[in-house]
Formats: sequence, C-alpha cells, structure tokens
Amino acid sequence: EAGVAQSPRYKIIEKRQSVAFWCNPISGHATLYWYQQILGQGPKLLIQFQNNGVVDDSQLPKDRFSAERLKGVDSTLKIQPAKLEDSAVYLCASSRQPLEQYFGPGTRLTVT
Amino acid sequence: QQQVKQSPQSLIVQKGGISIINCAYENTAFDYFPWYQQFPGKGPALLIAIRPDVSEKKEGRFTISFNKSAKQFSLHIMDSQPGDSATYFCAARGSNYKLTFGKGTLLTVNP
Repeated sequence: EAGVAQSPRYKIIEKRQSVAFWCNPISGHATLYWYQQILGQGPKLLIQFQNNGVVDDSQLPKDRFSAERLKGVDSTLKIQPAKLEDSAVYLCASSRQPLEQYFGPGTRLTVT
Repeated sequence: QQQVKQSPQSLIVQKGGISIINCAYENTAFDYFPWYQQFPGKGPALLIAIRPDVSEKKEGRFTISFNKSAKQFSLHIMDSQPGDSATYFCAARGSNYKLTFGKGTLLTVNP
C-alpha cells in the first residue's frame, strides 16, 4: 500500500509571495488532515476534511491560508501572502478509521 | 493554550537502558492517547496507543502507562537501542477525532 504522498518536499520563497502544497492520501482514506509543524514543536492541525467536506478548520488562518480537497481525494494547501512565521513543515495525513492517522513526509517551507 | 504537556524536552539514554517520556493533559473528554515516533525528514508514525479504560499497554519493548485520575500517561522504552533515537510525540484525541500533540521529546540513545 503506497503511503501519503506530498510535493514539493522543500520550498523557499520570499515573504509576501504565494505557495501551494499538494497531498495525495492513501487510497480509500476518506479523512485528510493538514498540519503545521514549527521547528521544535508538535504538529498543529490546520484543517480536516471528511471526503471533500471540511470538518474542522478552526486553527486555519483564513486570511492567508486556504485548502481544498478535489473530488474527495487529492488536496492542496495554499498560503497567500506568506509571512516569515509561516516557515515550518507542512504535514499531510490521512485515515480510513478515526483512530490511526498516516502521515506523509511533509513539505519544508522556508520564508525569507 | 497547550492542552498536552510533554516532558522532558530531550533525553539521553545509554544502549540497553530504559527511556521514559511523560505527558499530562487537562481535557477529560480526550478518549484516545497515541504516541508517535518521528525521524528527521520523515512524518510522524504511530508507535503505540491506549484508551483511558486501560492502565497499561505493551507492544514489544514499548509500554504505555496510563493514570486516568492524575490525567497523565507515559511511554517506556525498554532495552533502548541507537535505532530508537528519534523525536517522540504524545497526543490526545478530542472531538471530531482531532489530535492535539505535545511538543515532543528528542531521544538520543548512545551506543
């Protein structure tokens, strides 16, 4: 079974630029999560999808972050415009059951 | 507001020793407590998990001890190996199956 795929793996942008991350979950997993992991901290949930509907986006900075899940499969997370404090690893995870979440390798974003 | 407090921040153990990482929570509505292991450049991977109706769960060298009244749980790694060197995160599941993570513990096992 293929794991959660994410791209790109690394991205360097200047502040005020925009950036997008892509996630392909494990086949058959209805639930998809985007997390932000700042260096030295645990992952923080940004948004959770069930199929293509949003379950929780309470911690998503909606003035600059947006996310969508196309046809209940792939998902993209966008930041526009980026700030220095957005530098982090962005992790995508998926789950079939509510219990176990499988994480992708993440995208390391550096905002200069 | 940090709902899951994890300690220590870093831990150095000799090969063969016991590694112990502790977590405390406040929200009594949490109903599932997983531990994740993360290697550099990789995403977290589920290591072991426990429900609050069980006081202990063991899988190989990894054991979770759970104290519901104290709202604390801990991970014990027996016979620690250099390959166990990684960052460990405790987490707790609340409403909508949302996981709240601790800040992590960097474990180094010296050969």
